[in-house]
Amino acid sequence: DAGITQSPRHKVTETGTPVTLRCHQTENHRYMYWYRQDPGHGLRLIHYSYGVKDTDKGEVSDGYSVSRSKTEDFLLTLESATSSQTSVYFCAIRLELGYEQYFGPGTRLTVT
Amino acid sequence: EDKVVQSPLSLVVHEGDTVTLNCSYEVTNFRSLLWYKQEKKAPTFLFMLTSSGIEKKSGRLSSILDKKELFSILNITATQTGDSAIYLCAVGEYGNKLVFGAGTILRVKS
Repeated sequence: DAGITQSPRHKVTETGTPVTLRCHQTENHRYMYWYRQDPGHGLRLIHYSYGVKDTDKGEVSDGYSVSRSKTEDFLLTLESATSSQTSVYFCAIRLELGYEQYFGPGTRLTVT
Repeated sequence: EDKVVQSPLSLVVHEGDTVTLNCSYEVTNFRSLLWYKQEKKAPTFLFMLTSSGIEKKSGRLSSILDKKELFSILNITATQTGDSAIYLCAVGEYGNKLVFGAGTILRVKS
């Protein structure tokens, strides 16, 4: 499982509230990614990080922010959750060499 | 815009059948093509292909890449109910990112 955990695993929240999802890894990987998965869309990249304090936007970054203050943690924040952000969120790491990514168990977020 | 298209979107087969899943792509800076299997949880890595015409094989699964025609296929022979899953194709671009297709939902009936 590449030593990746995500928390919480499930969350229900109300529209307009802030939400933070956490991705934690134990193997000192430099590259970390946040995706969302929705039916018919596969996995879409939200933000990614290539080191502490080094982050960049993916294709669906609007409404999301990230922070990486230490190697092992990559946080995804929804500043003001909307119903369109109801989704399953996956964190992933990439090994230093190669392109394959390994995924955490996912967080199911429901915004009511 | 970079694009990865998988077909079919879904299919149902019987145990023992052979299936072929397709993935075509249009990306600016192609580096690799990857296949993942997803069963009600996180995607798990199957194959990575970087060179045309070289088959990668793992048990009953095999995959090949055609960089001239910009597509890849994933073959599963002698399917089993445990092969039921979503199969995702992704293209690795220069710059550490993957672009995923929407996936093919495979259901294998006993």
